[in-house]
Amino acid sequence: AQSVAQPEDQVNVAEGNPLTVKCTYSVSGNPYLFWYVQYPNRGLQFLLKYITGDNLVKGSYGFEAEFNKSQTSFHLKKPSALVSDSALYFCAVRDIDGSARQLTFGSGTQLTVLP
Amino acid sequence: NAGVTQTPKFQVLKTGQSMTLQCAQDMNHEYMSWYRQDPGMGLRLIHYSVGAGITDQGEVPNGYNVSRSTTEDFPLRLLSAAPSQTSVYFCASSYRRDSNSPLHFGNGTRLTVT
Repeated sequence: AQSVAQPEDQVNVAEGNPLTVKCTYSVSGNPYLFWYVQYPNRGLQFLLKYITGDNLVKGSYGFEAEFNKSQTSFHLKKPSALVSDSALYFCAVRDIDGSARQLTFGSGTQLTVLP
Repeated sequence: NAGVTQTPKFQVLKTGQSMTLQCAQDMNHEYMSWYRQDPGMGLRLIHYSVGAGITDQGEVPNGYNVSRSTTEDFPLRLLSAAPSQTSVYFCASSYRRDSNSPLHFGNGTRLTVT
């Protein structure tokens, strides 16, 4: 079975500081990994994905994520946080080799950027 | 270019009532799905469809029905609403289920069952 863990329900960071939102995953085969962002009263929006190749993936709004196979992690990062980055962030995984054909989402991390 | 459109945005039901949540997409996506979002639980898959005439169950299908008569539309029916179905419901679509293309989400329907 595939699973995703987002160990922090809440992350607070000061504006201008770097931010990290953590994600670890479990799959039996190789993963497709995704990050989505949700603003209040809106649906989820795609930020970035890892399919194969370079372990550092760049996405929308200056976000990037690093795939680490040995640690089964896919942490979301941004060098300098903005107040407008405050939102709910979801990590998701699909095992491309396993029997589970659907995306599995983590429980979400609420990011608050303090001015 | 509307993307994924969900109606209604808000709905209050009494226990035992039925209703249909509407979802339409204009991107010619094969794959459509319904999720429910509950605090601390992320998104859980209710039902999905890989094309017109084809539907299947997700993680939490009980109490819900779906149909897919066209590529564009994927309504979710609550047969007899229960307070446990109070949640925010999201419809999402993508090019194909097995592709690495991301899901496109609607803005959600907030359902309260009293």
